[in-house]
Amino acid sequence: NAGVMQNPRHLVRRRGQEARLRCSPMKGHSHVYWYRQLPEEGLKFMVYLQKENIIDESGMPKERFSAEFPKEGPSILRIQQVVRGDSAAYFCASSPPLRDREMWDTQYFGPGTRLTVL
Amino acid sequence: AQSVAQPEDQVNVAEGNPLTVKCTYSVSGNPYLFWYVQYPNRGLQFLLKYITGDNLVKGSYGFEAEFNKSQTSFHLKKPSALVSDSALYFCAVRDGYNFNKFYFGSGTKLNVKP
Repeated sequence: NAGVMQNPRHLVRRRGQEARLRCSPMKGHSHVYWYRQLPEEGLKFMVYLQKENIIDESGMPKERFSAEFPKEGPSILRIQQVVRGDSAAYFCASSPPLRDREMWDTQYFGPGTRLTVL
Repeated sequence: AQSVAQPEDQVNVAEGNPLTVKCTYSVSGNPYLFWYVQYPNRGLQFLLKYITGDNLVKGSYGFEAEFNKSQTSFHLKKPSALVSDSALYFCAVRDGYNFNKFYFGSGTKLNVKP
């Protein structure tokens, strides 16, 4: 069972461009979380999604950031008109459905996408 | 407000010695507490969790953590450190009311020297 996949691993954008980060959860996982990690800081929650639903986006900046988790395909975190302050590592995590009584509350993380804005 | 604090940016320990990485928390409702480890250029890996039951929780790679409700702490421990344990360790708490929300500490870098 492959782990959580994220691509690209490294992404370089110039100010004003768009960044698209992809996340494929572990097989059988229906919950996806996105986090941002700034240098020397911990992870900050951004958004929690289930298939075709945004459940909690209270950690997302109000502008330029959006996320989706379509019925088919990976979850996408989209950052429009990037600025230098968006440079960070973005991690995706997935968790099993609630019926998995042992591990439903445990998150499995991808390797992250490191975004650099020039 | 929910929060997690890891008071030490870095912990240095000699191989074979016991190690402790500290974590304190503040959360509404019952705490669900986790430890994760991050190796360079990798994602976080789950180590252990406390939900309920025994205050001493055993996890992967010989790590354990002790939940102390009165001190609102969840320190990570290992009796005998290995050089390969050198990594970044994150404590996390899941909001007792809003299960969607996880709060992570800022991380503690563990250096184990031969």
